[in-house]
Amino acid sequence: DGGITQSPKYLFRKEGQNVTLSCEQNLNHDAMYWYRQDPGQGLRLIYYSQIVNDFQKGDIAEGYSVSREKKESFPLTVTSAQKNPTAFYLCASSLTRDRVGEQYFGPGTRLTVT
Amino acid sequence: GNSVTQMEGPVTLSEEAFLTINCTYTATGYPSLFWYVQYPGEGLQLLLKATKADDKGSNKGFEATYRKETTSFHLEKGSVQVSDSAVYFCATNTGNQFYFGTGTSLTVIP
Repeated sequence: DGGITQSPKYLFRKEGQNVTLSCEQNLNHDAMYWYRQDPGQGLRLIYYSQIVNDFQKGDIAEGYSVSREKKESFPLTVTSAQKNPTAFYLCASSLTRDRVGEQYFGPGTRLTVT
Repeated sequence: GNSVTQMEGPVTLSEEAFLTINCTYTATGYPSLFWYVQYPGEGLQLLLKATKADDKGSNKGFEATYRKETTSFHLEKGSVQVSDSAVYFCATNTGNQFYFGTGTSLTVIP
């Protein structure tokens, strides 16, 4: 079955540590996205990538970094510079060639930093 | 740029009640419109979509019509069930950029 996988489901880290969240898709989608969701809040875009080896900052990129070395993979690193990293992180993908196409979402990773 | 405004929640309904969640959008060009649903602790799932004016998207008893004249895409269901309890997001896109509303939490009580 095609889809997006995110791992792990729950992640715990100590303050000051960098942590990398995994996102893999086998939908052959060109574009991939990372969103942050806080309790009772909507989605805020962190980074997105429309093609391998290229990515753009979203609305809240500070304290985060990404890479896109393969079409299938778009890992997100939450650095120690991110002041409030505890949140639910969602990865998504879409076809860039399909103007009307929707985004597909992974199951999310809940990160807790103490 | 594009934006979406949706009805604030939370919304609480009794089982079998009629549901409407309002959504209006601003957009340039010819965007598609989407409704997503999120169950607790999960990612978003596409519920329905419409790609041009007057299109009606429908799925699992939910419907929404793309109204260009009122720039709206209201979500409706004739008879809600307890299992419909979730957060609903309205969204639009311009090319590969997606814009989401803040979400409306729905609780259906037996």
